[in-house]
Amino acid sequence: SQTIHQWPATLVQPVGSPLSLECTVEGTSNPNLYWYRQAAGRGLQLLFYSVGIGQISSEVPQNLSASRPQDRQFILSSKKLLLSDSGFYLCAWTRVVGYGYTFGSGTRLTVV
Amino acid sequence: QKEVEQDPGPLSVPEGAIVSLNCTYSNSAFQYFMWYRQYSRKGPELLMYTYSSGNKEDGRFTAQVDKSSKYISLFIRDSQPSDSATYLCAMAAGNTGKLIFGQGTTLQVKP
Repeated sequence: SQTIHQWPATLVQPVGSPLSLECTVEGTSNPNLYWYRQAAGRGLQLLFYSVGIGQISSEVPQNLSASRPQDRQFILSSKKLLLSDSGFYLCAWTRVVGYGYTFGSGTRLTVV
Repeated sequence: QKEVEQDPGPLSVPEGAIVSLNCTYSNSAFQYFMWYRQYSRKGPELLMYTYSSGNKEDGRFTAQVDKSSKYISLFIRDSQPSDSATYLCAMAAGNTGKLIFGQGTTLQVKP
């Protein structure tokens, strides 16, 4: 069966520090991968998506970046965090577009 | 105007009630429609997905899509306290499958 892993679960980082969040999917190949951010009490905002290794599309201009170094690995990064980067970061995948997307358990990031 | 509009609620109902949750959308290119349930501090959990107009039923849940009106609904029958959560509608179009979410509706089912 397919599973998605996200870590860490919680993270407290100072302003100006770097960030690296990792997401991996097991049990499938060539998944579509997505990074979302959810602010408190809000819906999910799409940040990045990838349809293949090395293929990254950005939805929202900001100081975050994403990379896909391996087929089932998706990384969200920042060189210098801002207070506004705080939120709940979720990774998701799907094998067939439109037929249900599975989300990871998320990383709660607090920038202080 | 947001691509997907959803009333954030909160919505409070007694146990056993029928719950109706709704979303409207503006992008006629949306082909795939989903409903997610999210408990506090957890990742969203897929409840139902569909890609055609009409009804789809799964246990106590019924998803309804009306593409002509750009309107989707989720009905929950015999609601239970364990159904208390935030319900998010989501839609996608095209080969990239970018999933666009509504704001989410917070539901409370009182015993």
